[in-house]
Amino acid sequence: DARVTQTPRHKVTEMGQEVTMRCQPILGHNTVFWYRQTMMQGLELLAYFRNRAPLDDSGMPKDRFSAEMPDATLATLKIQPSEPRDSAVYFCASGSGGTQYFGPGTRLLVL
Amino acid sequence: GQNIDQPTEMTATEGAIVQINCTYQTSGFNGLFWYQQHAGEAPTFLSYNVLDGLEEKGRFSSFLSRSKGYSYLLLKELQMKDSASYLCAVSPPGNYQLIWGAGTKLIIKP
Repeated sequence: DARVTQTPRHKVTEMGQEVTMRCQPILGHNTVFWYRQTMMQGLELLAYFRNRAPLDDSGMPKDRFSAEMPDATLATLKIQPSEPRDSAVYFCASGSGGTQYFGPGTRLLVL
Repeated sequence: GQNIDQPTEMTATEGAIVQINCTYQTSGFNGLFWYQQHAGEAPTFLSYNVLDGLEEKGRFSSFLSRSKGYSYLLLKELQMKDSASYLCAVSPPGNYQLIWGAGTKLIIKP
């Protein structure tokens, strides 16, 4: 049963610290998405990749967020420095056509 | 612009039928998705409509009218486990992104 995996599942950190979230897409999927979800904003697209190339990161605050795909089995999302307003659930999703399959998410709390 | 509208919240009774509507105005259209999201969990894929008409999948059915920019998700024989948020999303042409609605929170009462 192929699934998207994400680590860590939960993260509590202090303001100013670096946070790195990792995602392993489903094998064979060539599109990877990073989303942020809060109660107020719903699902926001932060960035996405096609064949490991970044296609759109316009939803991401560039001064503190960065997203990369060092290889086909790993996508990373970094926040440096983190701020309390970054507290949210971060989802990674992968797909090979239109349908996106979501990982379980990383629940981030920045104090 | 791009806009997807769904009711914020709906309540229904166990065993009954509920219809969750979604209207969209987007610059181009390839298809429409419905996802289910239980509280504290990730969205999971329910259905994908490209052509007009009704697609049935067990207790869940999804309908699309491209000319009206309208879709609905029909849930029959409601069970308590159907309490969740239901997200409508449109796939624009030439783009791998989805445009997401804010979701409809469905509350099932005994």
